[in-house]
Amino acid sequence: SAVISQKPSRDICQRGTSLTIQCQVDSQVTMMFWYRQQPGQSLTLIATANQGSEATYESGFVIDKFPISRPNLTFSTLTVSNMSPEDSSIYLCSVLQGQETQYFGPGTRLLVL
Amino acid sequence: AQSVAQPEDQVNVAEGNPLTVKCTYSVSGNPYLFWYVQYPNRGLQFLLKYITGDNLVKGSYGFEAEFNKSQTSFHLKKPSALVSDSALYFCAVSPPRGSTLGRLYFGRGTQLTVWP
Repeated sequence: SAVISQKPSRDICQRGTSLTIQCQVDSQVTMMFWYRQQPGQSLTLIATANQGSEATYESGFVIDKFPISRPNLTFSTLTVSNMSPEDSSIYLCSVLQGQETQYFGPGTRLLVL
Repeated sequence: AQSVAQPEDQVNVAEGNPLTVKCTYSVSGNPYLFWYVQYPNRGLQFLLKYITGDNLVKGSYGFEAEFNKSQTSFHLKKPSALVSDSALYFCAVSPPRGSTLGRLYFGRGTQLTVWP
């Protein structure tokens, strides 16, 4: 399976600021995704990161709040903008290998004060 | 609408006993089914999947899962639990085709605790 890394692994941020999370894969993949896992909750898909075009956002998530870039087939970033304490979550990127299985990065643990 | 249900928030078993973590789903068509495990302060690790074929699939760490189409269930099982199996387990489904390819819908998760 692909090896996926995320930076930073964790951060503590002040409300009103923005944080950019990086996701790096060791091989080219067609599809990359970003998920949010709020404390004690399951995972919710934020968006599909499309290479060379705008990300596809799920209901309840907007580009202004969660801008995503995907400049190539091995890298993507998610920015959490104008943060509030409600944005405190684990943010995970994942990649689709083959047509079936998603593999996840280790996650970025974000605490907003 | 797609949905995944894990009816038990917690499952507690003694080491050496068999374990079952339940999952039922409501997805149109013939979805792909998955189990993931999350250890404390770690990301999600893929355990196993059902795509087609034999209803009993085997995965990592001695886990297996049984697909039951009539009951729309995909229960995770292990014949003999280990303390190290203690973790949070997620069931997930993915519609296999079209614009929803690759999207995963997750259950709420089941915290498995194995007592020594």
